[in-house]
Amino acid sequence: DQQVKQNSPSLSVQEGRISILNCDYTNSMFDYFLWYKKYPAEGPTFLISISSIKDKNEDGRFTVFLNKSAKHLSLHIVPSQPGDSAVYFCAASGEGVNAGNNRKLIWGLGTSLAVNP
Amino acid sequence: NAGVTQTPKFRVLKTGQSMTLLCAQDMNHEYMYWYRQDPGMGLRLIHYSVGEGTTAKGEVPDGYNVSRLKKQNFLLGLESAAPSQTSVYFCASSTGGYSNQPQHFGDGTRLSIL
Repeated sequence: DQQVKQNSPSLSVQEGRISILNCDYTNSMFDYFLWYKKYPAEGPTFLISISSIKDKNEDGRFTVFLNKSAKHLSLHIVPSQPGDSAVYFCAASGEGVNAGNNRKLIWGLGTSLAVNP
Repeated sequence: NAGVTQTPKFRVLKTGQSMTLLCAQDMNHEYMYWYRQDPGMGLRLIHYSVGEGTTAKGEVPDGYNVSRLKKQNFLLGLESAAPSQTSVYFCASSTGGYSNQPQHFGDGTRLSIL
């Protein structure tokens, strides 16, 4: 039962255009969301996060939007660059979503982004 | 700057063999984690540690043991490897105990159990 769903396994965009990666969640207790980026043979790298008290967070070319009523968030990359080609993971945490006494992250399966020159 | 270093990067084991995966971080982080990544599944937490000398179970702890004798090191042990433990293992560390503190990951250990 995937609580965090990234329904598009892959996405291809042209360099300079916008990349939009989507993530849906089912657990209404999630209150913090993170995006990680992963290159082949490397570990995930934190990209950007958003708290449920906000609906938008921006960091340079990366913007995350949160729609709590729809239980949906998206990552926008503008403009897209070939170096952005990677797998992007959405992850969420929430009150009561624990491993032992501590919160845990619930991960999506990832979306593979290819930015074509 | 090294960040999180995992040793080894690759390993092939036979069923029943034992081995230890080493994770070292140089960021003075309190929290450390071991995950496994399998096709069709998100990253799943095996065990974690909230500080030197402590360990706790994650989502999929069976068949694994861990130790955190030093703050900078977090060891993952497989006492009797099984083919179901074939996976890519990631270690991570973070400053805080809540998942909203970004975790820093190593580059992974690809483990195959024959």
